[in-house]
Amino acid sequence: GQNIDQPTEMTATEGAIVQINCTYQTSGFNGLFWYQQHAGEAPTFLSYNVLDGLEEKGRFSSFLSRSKGYSYLLLKELQMKDSASYLCAVRDLRGYNKLIFGAGTRLAVHP
Amino acid sequence: ETGVTQSPTHLIKTRGQQVTLRCSSQSGHNTVSWYQQALGQGPQFIFQYYREEENGRGNFPPRFSGLQFPNYSSELNVNALELDDSALYLCASSLQGRETGELFFGEGSRLTVL
Repeated sequence: GQNIDQPTEMTATEGAIVQINCTYQTSGFNGLFWYQQHAGEAPTFLSYNVLDGLEEKGRFSSFLSRSKGYSYLLLKELQMKDSASYLCAVRDLRGYNKLIFGAGTRLAVHP
Repeated sequence: ETGVTQSPTHLIKTRGQQVTLRCSSQSGHNTVSWYQQALGQGPQFIFQYYREEENGRGNFPPRFSGLQFPNYSSELNVNALELDDSALYLCASSLQGRETGELFFGEGSRLTVL
């Protein structure tokens, strides 16, 4: 079976750091993605990991451990505009570009 | 470069009707996927088209069908609409062969079935 788990909601303070965890169990693995989705808008690509380790991109970093089926998205220096849903998605091993998404984590950033 | 555009943005249908949703891919992208996103859930893969052929399908019944045109634009058709079909339908384009192959999503078409 295929299962992706992430917390439903998180809150954090402006300027702080927050870590959003994602665990997955899939029949195949060909990369893990994080997307940001503001209410009523399209998901936008944040990061991609296919090998173990940390990928850093400005205020956002993403970590992957394939042996543990675990990833996290780290957001530093939080801003109010970071309030959004964060979607963890695993790409299926089969040839086509199918992503299996978690339900998303709603992050609320407070002043 | 132009992004992914979808139409219509909102529509209301009744049970049993049929609906067609449209998508224009991002410039230069040759692959289009469709996803269904229910309220409070992550997107669920419906199917993917590459070179005008369906080359992957999720767990959706045959009344969900699609087309991809030579200019890589696409349609999603849903027949015999049911109440549970109410959702945001997202189109995503990507470039086959690109290392990350990330999907670029449109704003979606919000379908309400009454």
